[in-house]
Amino acid sequence: QVHLVQSGAEVKRPGASVIISCEASGYTLTNHYMHWVRLAPGQRLEWMGIISPSGTTTYAPKFQGRVTMTRDTSTSTVYMELNSLRSEDTAVYSCATGMDSSGYYYYHYWGQGTLVTVSS
Amino acid sequence: EIVLTQSPGTLSLSPGDRATLSCRASQSVNYKYLAWYQQKPGQAPRLLMFGASIRATGIPDRFSGSGSGTDFTLTISRLESEDFAVYFCQQYGSLPWSFGQGTRLEI
Repeated sequence: QVHLVQSGAEVKRPGASVIISCEASGYTLTNHYMHWVRLAPGQRLEWMGIISPSGTTTYAPKFQGRVTMTRDTSTSTVYMELNSLRSEDTAVYSCATGMDSSGYYYYHYWGQGTLVTVSS
Repeated sequence: EIVLTQSPGTLSLSPGDRATLSCRASQSVNYKYLAWYQQKPGQAPRLLMFGASIRATGIPDRFSGSGSGTDFTLTISRLESEDFAVYFCQQYGSLPWSFGQGTRLEI
């Protein structure tokens, strides 16, 4: 069974950066896609980007230039770094993946979510 | 980016009723690449449907999906108590993937 465990809540100042981790068990990063999505208060889920089994990344245009997704295959952990934080980035950030190649498209498994609060 | 609009925002029904949830896209969704999820408080979303009408593993047959182009529907034929939750749609036909704002199904 796949489990995705994310790092804990963060509080950041505007302009700072945040790095969130997502450790996968029962799962091989080199065989699966991993996505990052976020849910801001009162908003809908927002897709941020994806890292492929080969490590290639694709980012949503809204976040291009501010987000970086990386991975460490030795620890089965993926990372999402968001820079130049602003108050509108306050949200719960989640990693999500599928059970096979369908994970490029939709999600069977989700992390528990990481709350990032951006406040001065 | 494709914007998905779900309706109604809240649906109040009783166990045994039939529920019909709508997801409308701002432009055509390629290849019927639309998924539906169910989410309960404190839980991760659960994949119900993909390809607009294909039930995910373990999903009861009282759940069905239909639609193409810009109009999609999730139907729950006979509501059971555990079906009262938030439902949202996701399109994966065109990058960036996008989500609906959700429909709350309440007793």
